[in-house]
Amino acid sequence: EDQVTQSPEALRLQEGESSSLNCSYTVSGLRGLFWYRQDPGKGPEFLFTLYSAGEEKEKERLKATLTKKESFLHITAPKPEDSATYLCAVHLGGSQGNLIFGKGTKLSVKP
Amino acid sequence: DTAVSQTPKYLVTQMGNDKSIKCEQNLGHDTMYWYKQDSKKFLKIMFSYNNKELIINETVPNRFSPKSPDKAHLNLHINSLELGDSAVYFCASSPITGATNEKLFFGSGTQLSVL
Repeated sequence: EDQVTQSPEALRLQEGESSSLNCSYTVSGLRGLFWYRQDPGKGPEFLFTLYSAGEEKEKERLKATLTKKESFLHITAPKPEDSATYLCAVHLGGSQGNLIFGKGTKLSVKP
Repeated sequence: DTAVSQTPKYLVTQMGNDKSIKCEQNLGHDTMYWYKQDSKKFLKIMFSYNNKELIINETVPNRFSPKSPDKAHLNLHINSLELGDSAVYFCASSPITGATNEKLFFGSGTQLSVL
């Protein structure tokens, strides 16, 4: 069964304390892995797409990496405004919206 | 301007009622979707739709039906609401460019509570 698992479920960091979020997947025929950010009461907001093992993408304090079985979202020197739930999703092909989402990691960054 | 907007933000109703959620996108995208986020926070696709094709997740009860008056709108109709329908429903859209991995643009969600 296709599955996406994110860990930890929740992460509390002090401002400036770098860390990583994990997304492991067991799918047949990965067509792309997505990271989204979701703020309370809002819809997910796109961050990155990764297509192949070894690929890396960066945006401000965030860096996403991909292996054959998992992806990491590295957060360097986080700020309180980085607090949000980070969702990982994999695309299985077929319809463009055919994504399987993980449960997310709720990140809290304290000043 | 809001790219994907949905109304209402909150919807509280009784079991057995019929309700609709409206969604509009001003991005000129060809494909729209409805996702459901349940109490466990998992986002699951319900429908994807463009003016050619409706793809339905086989787990969605037929009490749920998407209605698209035009390319910019995709409404969700729900008949005979049940307690288990309580969730947050998200509308989303994406362009069709030939790639299979276009990012999705989400609305801000409609929190449905069935009493």
